[in-house]
Amino acid sequence: EPEVTQTPSHQVTQMGQEVILRCVPISNHLYFYWYRQILGQKVEFLVSFYNNEISEKSEIFDDQFSVERPDGSNFTLKIRSTKLEDSAMYFCASRLRTGTGSYEQYFGPGTRLTVT
Amino acid sequence: GDSVTQMEGPVTLSEEAFLTINCTYTATGYPSLFWYVQYPGEGLQLLLKATKADDKGSNKGFEATYRKETTSFHLEKGSVQVSDSAVYFCALSPNTGGFKTIFGAGTRLFVKA
Repeated sequence: EPEVTQTPSHQVTQMGQEVILRCVPISNHLYFYWYRQILGQKVEFLVSFYNNEISEKSEIFDDQFSVERPDGSNFTLKIRSTKLEDSAMYFCASRLRTGTGSYEQYFGPGTRLTVT
Repeated sequence: GDSVTQMEGPVTLSEEAFLTINCTYTATGYPSLFWYVQYPGEGLQLLLKATKADDKGSNKGFEATYRKETTSFHLEKGSVQVSDSAVYFCALSPNTGGFKTIFGAGTRLFVKA
């Protein structure tokens, strides 16, 4: 069964450094997403991406964040200058849009980002 | 805006007990509703879904019915097992716009042998 993959599984970085989290969505999916989950808390929406542009973003997704689909398979989240509070699990998800249906999202296993 | 409220945990049950985790939502239009499960140290797995009023989603003995009149989507299981211990997230996805998923806060379930 196709699945969303994410690399790395765990990233440790120092405050102020740039990080890039990588995702490979399911190949025929059209919508792509990033979410984050601070330890022990709820899963929060960051951004959705469709047709090579951001379709929606949350208040969390400020100028420090950016997303890119550099080729036909990868979808990346960049944090330009990490802060301690960026430490969280980051989930990528993808979704197939059809005319009808539930449009559920398929989530990757997550990347745990630790900022020291 | 759209939101999901679910009962606070943790919920502690003995094996073979009946489980209910309450979930209500606020949304415009007709969102799709989901339950996701997160086992310790793992990612999010879709447990079940429902796309319209009165739909019943079911999987692995878990069930939830989309109740438009009460804006609820309560999760139930007749007989829990130790292996069901996890965090359960109720979620909705509006069928418009970017189709993001909005999650509830999660309910941690502990099942004792």
